[in-house]
Amino acid sequence: GAGVSQSPSNKVTEKGKDVELRCDPISGHTALYWYRQRLGQGLEFLIYFQGNSAPDKSGLPSDRFSAERTGESVSTLTIQRTQQEDSAVYLCASSPLTAGINQPQHFGDGTRLSIL
Amino acid sequence: DQQVKQNSPSLSVQEGRISILNCDYTNSMFDYFLWYKKYPAEGPTFLISISSIKDKNEDGRFTVFLNKSAKHLSLHIVPSQPGDSAVYFCAARTGGSQGNLIFGKGTKLSVKP
Repeated sequence: GAGVSQSPSNKVTEKGKDVELRCDPISGHTALYWYRQRLGQGLEFLIYFQGNSAPDKSGLPSDRFSAERTGESVSTLTIQRTQQEDSAVYLCASSPLTAGINQPQHFGDGTRLSIL
Repeated sequence: DQQVKQNSPSLSVQEGRISILNCDYTNSMFDYFLWYKKYPAEGPTFLISISSIKDKNEDGRFTVFLNKSAKHLSLHIVPSQPGDSAVYFCAARTGGSQGNLIFGKGTKLSVKP
């Protein structure tokens, strides 16, 4: 498809379980971002991948959160031993890299994660 | 400490009138600003952006104004249409990078027919 694709669209799981969220960026976009949005809040940055550079993990809230990306393709966000405060919509975005030109980020529809 | 603030959680406007959404920021290193629109159960959709070297950018019914001295930007929608009803997020990024955006909490716009 033409846009950022995320799966699953919804995920309900029990506290303490691990979850894995997937993001397919727009083809050719070298930058990929993960954000989360808690109820009534703005988007909160989690992690950023740019090509083969080391990812910027400065937004990850704890060591239970990790993410991987192979090359310029799919990324997975993993949350281990989920807690109720992890309940949120997890959004993925991608953007092209054009030297000297600001480019907007394009978002998927997110994964709504509910921890029981 | 919020670096990007949208102080109005909601705004109601009559169809055909102007909608003005406001955003304030604290970080003087921000040099790229964006507005996103978000419908329920969908991801944010990019609307319009402005670089800090400009004070105005216009795209059809949407205009973004930037006042760097006041660290304030606004989005004007004119004329407003019922389909514009959504949550609008202001976002900013520091210069020289393709890094992450800092988002405000959003303003819910309702355009009444």
